[in-house]
Amino acid sequence: GQQLNQSPQSMFIQEGEDVSMNCTSSSIFNTWLWYKQDPGEGPVLLIALYKAGELTSNGRLTAQFGITRKDSFLNISASIPSDVGIYFCAGLKAGTALIFGKGTTLSVSS
Amino acid sequence: GAVVSQHPSRVICKSGTSVKIECRSLDFQATTMFWYRQFPKQSLMLMATSNEGSKATYEQGVEKDKFLINHASLTLSTLTVTSAHPEDSSFYICSGLRDFQETQYFGPGTRLLVL
Repeated sequence: GQQLNQSPQSMFIQEGEDVSMNCTSSSIFNTWLWYKQDPGEGPVLLIALYKAGELTSNGRLTAQFGITRKDSFLNISASIPSDVGIYFCAGLKAGTALIFGKGTTLSVSS
Repeated sequence: GAVVSQHPSRVICKSGTSVKIECRSLDFQATTMFWYRQFPKQSLMLMATSNEGSKATYEQGVEKDKFLINHASLTLSTLTVTSAHPEDSSFYICSGLRDFQETQYFGPGTRLLVL
């Protein structure tokens, strides 16, 4: 099925560093969602974005819905070891199912 | 709020047997539920869309006779893997669509191993 272009594929950072990842698409979405998945678990919703240009924060996480509605980014500030996991972006068009990015695997060393 | 549960969390079965996985929205009504499959180190791939009271819509390449989906109520959808084979071993995840938010909430997943 269709997937979004998510980058980077993986990141290895030091505790305390900031992280940025993004997703792009050739088509427009009404909603952008960011999930985190721990090994053996289902994805957990981090941030939901519903309007073009919207900038939303959830603790140390900040995400934006691109003006063109074809992209979104997620920033994590001051990373900590428990931020380790796989982060997925997902786009939603009205009346359709989610389309997922391939994921960004984040590793944090203390 | 917006909690989705799945049962069982893990299942091991013999080749040729059938396995049923339940997906429940615990604190909201989900007129639409989705079933995904995830292979190791890969993203989630949509298998089918399940609407309460109607037949499921399957994605291309997903056999509807092999993966039976029933969405009998606004809080329960089931996926039955019939005549399971080792290649069906995967992580199966459901999600419920919270309509007014246009947001999907995922269950914790079911790890299926077919021997």
